[in-house]
Amino acid sequence: DGGITQSPKYLFRKEGQNVTLSCEQNLNHDAMYWYRQDPGQGLRLIYYSQIVNDFQKGDIAEGYSVSREKKESFPLTVTSAQKNPTAFYLCASTPTGAWYQPQHFGDGTRLSIL
Amino acid sequence: RKEVEQDPGPFNVPEGATVAFNCTYSNSASQSFFWYRQDCRKEPKLLMSVYSSGNEDGRFTAQLNRASQYISLLIRDSKLSDSATYLCVVNYAGGTSYGKLTFGQGTILTVHP
Repeated sequence: DGGITQSPKYLFRKEGQNVTLSCEQNLNHDAMYWYRQDPGQGLRLIYYSQIVNDFQKGDIAEGYSVSREKKESFPLTVTSAQKNPTAFYLCASTPTGAWYQPQHFGDGTRLSIL
Repeated sequence: RKEVEQDPGPFNVPEGATVAFNCTYSNSASQSFFWYRQDCRKEPKLLMSVYSSGNEDGRFTAQLNRASQYISLLIRDSKLSDSATYLCVVNYAGGTSYGKLTFGQGTILTVHP
C-alpha cells in the first residue's frame, strides 16, 4: 500500500540531545513537509522540500534541521537548540505541481522531554 | 488576527442532530480550502475539499464564501463516530510552486447518545 511512514511513534529526548524523526513515503511525491502540533492548536509548518537536495524553512524552523538526500525520505532533526520540543510531529507530502491539492499525513511521532 | 480562525467549541450534540462549524480566513488570495478531521492522538485526515459552488458528501456539506472569506461545514444526522476535532485548512501559493497550508486551531465535536 502506498503511504507515508513515520517512526518512531514515541520518542523521548534528554536535555542537550539531538533526536531525529524519520519520514518515508512510497507515493513518488516530490514535495514533503514537516509540521508541529501543540495541544489545542493547529499545525505549524517547520520545513518543506519540493525536490531532492532542496528544502526551505517554514514558519517555525528555529531549533530544527532537515535533509532531503532521497526522494522517499525527509528526516527531521530536533536539535538541543529547540527549547520546547514536546509536541506531535507530522510529516506530509504532495506531488510537485499539485500544490493546490490536499496534503496527506503520516501517523505522526510524539516527542517528549525526559 | 489569526490567519485562520475557528470557533474552538466544544460542541456537544445528541445523535441525529445537525451541527455547523464556521471558519474565517484573513488572506484574500487564498486559493484552496479543506476540512480535515482529527481523532484524539491521531493524524489529521482529509474530510473534504471546499469549492465555491458548495459541495456535499453524504451527510457533510461544505460551503465557501470568498467575498466574506468564510468557510462552513454542516454535518447532518450526527453519529457517535463523528466525534472528533475538525480542522479548517486554507492553502495559499502566492506565486510559488508550493502550497502553504494554514490550519485553524480546530473545533471539537462530541456526539452523545
